[in-house]
Amino acid sequence: QAQLVQSGAEVKKPGASVRISCEASGYVFPNYYVHWVRQAPGQGLEWMGVINPSSRIRTYAQKFQGRVSVTRDTATTIVYLELNSLTSDDTAVYFCAREAGMDVWGQGTTVTVSS
Amino acid sequence: DIQMTQSPSAMSASVRDRVTITCRASQDITKYLAWFQQKPGKVPERLIYSASILQNGVPSRFSGTGFGTEFTLTISSLQPEDFGTYYCLQYSGYPHTFGQGTKLEIK
Repeated sequence: QAQLVQSGAEVKKPGASVRISCEASGYVFPNYYVHWVRQAPGQGLEWMGVINPSSRIRTYAQKFQGRVSVTRDTATTIVYLELNSLTSDDTAVYFCAREAGMDVWGQGTTVTVSS
Repeated sequence: DIQMTQSPSAMSASVRDRVTITCRASQDITKYLAWFQQKPGKVPERLIYSASILQNGVPSRFSGTGFGTEFTLTISSLQPEDFGTYYCLQYSGYPHTFGQGTKLEIK
């Protein structure tokens, strides 16, 4: 069955960058967009961006423009989220999810930003 | 951006109660709305998509209605395992946006 598996927890210092991976399996990878969503502690869900794995066209939330990048590995079924210039406000669980209706989710990756 | 206004933000209900949660979109999103349930420390799970289509494996006590700007999630007979936070998501356009969430507690 369709599955998304994310990389492990990260601890970063303010100003650093983080890269999270999301590996897809069990479905035709190019056929489904991959979205990134985050959830700060005790808060709601926030959409960050999306990639079309086939065309590699990406769209980002305005809030993250200039410091976020979503890419896909050419040879595999892995999508990456990179977030730069981290602050404590970026401490959150980051999820990847399949397609616009988000039917399949990764298990989440906790990113902690602390000095 | 399309704003999703979800209500109530929190509620408490008894087993076998009928529960209704509402999402209002700031502009027409036709049918492009999904509902999710999230339990503490867990990944959100999709309940409904395209406003009214039940996700495979989701109990039939969950249902969704609406089109355009007004949407409703109904739990026809609340069960103890239905506690958690419920979110709506509009995926009509970018950026996709979530409602603020409804925290449902079982009395």
